[in-house]
Amino acid sequence: GIQVEQSPPDLILQEGANSTLRCNFSDSVNNLQWFHQNPWGQLINLFYIPSGTKQNGRLSATTVATERYSLLYISSSQTTDSGVYFCAGIYNNNDMRFGAGTRLTVKP
Amino acid sequence: EAQVTQNPRYLITVTGKKLTVTCSQNMNHEYMSWYRQDPGLGLRQIYYSMNVEVTDKGDVPEGYKVSRKEKRNFPLILESPSPNQTSLYFCASKKYRSGPYNEQFFGPGTRLTVL
Repeated sequence: GIQVEQSPPDLILQEGANSTLRCNFSDSVNNLQWFHQNPWGQLINLFYIPSGTKQNGRLSATTVATERYSLLYISSSQTTDSGVYFCAGIYNNNDMRFGAGTRLTVKP
Repeated sequence: EAQVTQNPRYLITVTGKKLTVTCSQNMNHEYMSWYRQDPGLGLRQIYYSMNVEVTDKGDVPEGYKVSRKEKRNFPLILESPSPNQTSLYFCASKKYRSGPYNEQFFGPGTRLTVL
């Protein structure tokens, strides 16, 4: 079946540090979304990015569809960035497959 | 405010007692779906609906039912809950089944415990 793999599974940072989270997918995707799940369990949309690069404040994402990966960059991390980051590939224009997530802890 | 709402947010119940988790969206989206999230497994789709009166199974439909009588509502029904259905449930919606500019929005989640 279709696989979406995220790395690293866990990441601990000091406040102010930068980080890169990676998402690899086993088959071509029609689209890709990044989510942040906060400590209260809510899933927050970060990026909807089939290809190219998007930026939103301290966060940016790049998807290289031809090479089947996407990267999420977090700069100048803050404690409020803590949580789990999920990527999800959209296949066949409909099926959404999630990775297992990267758990980020930002320490003050 | 455009949003997906779910109720209840937290529920503790006992094996075999029927329950319904409601989901509503105010964005006039055609497509709605339910997911469950379990540790180490990420989110898995339970059921989805492409429009009113059109529903289909996702990856893990066993033990669940859904209905789509109105465009905005998509309730999840557990006729006879069992402990292995203890999970965090998310309802989601997007404008269409497929196509560009079609990001999916998630509700706040329902944490269900079946004793």
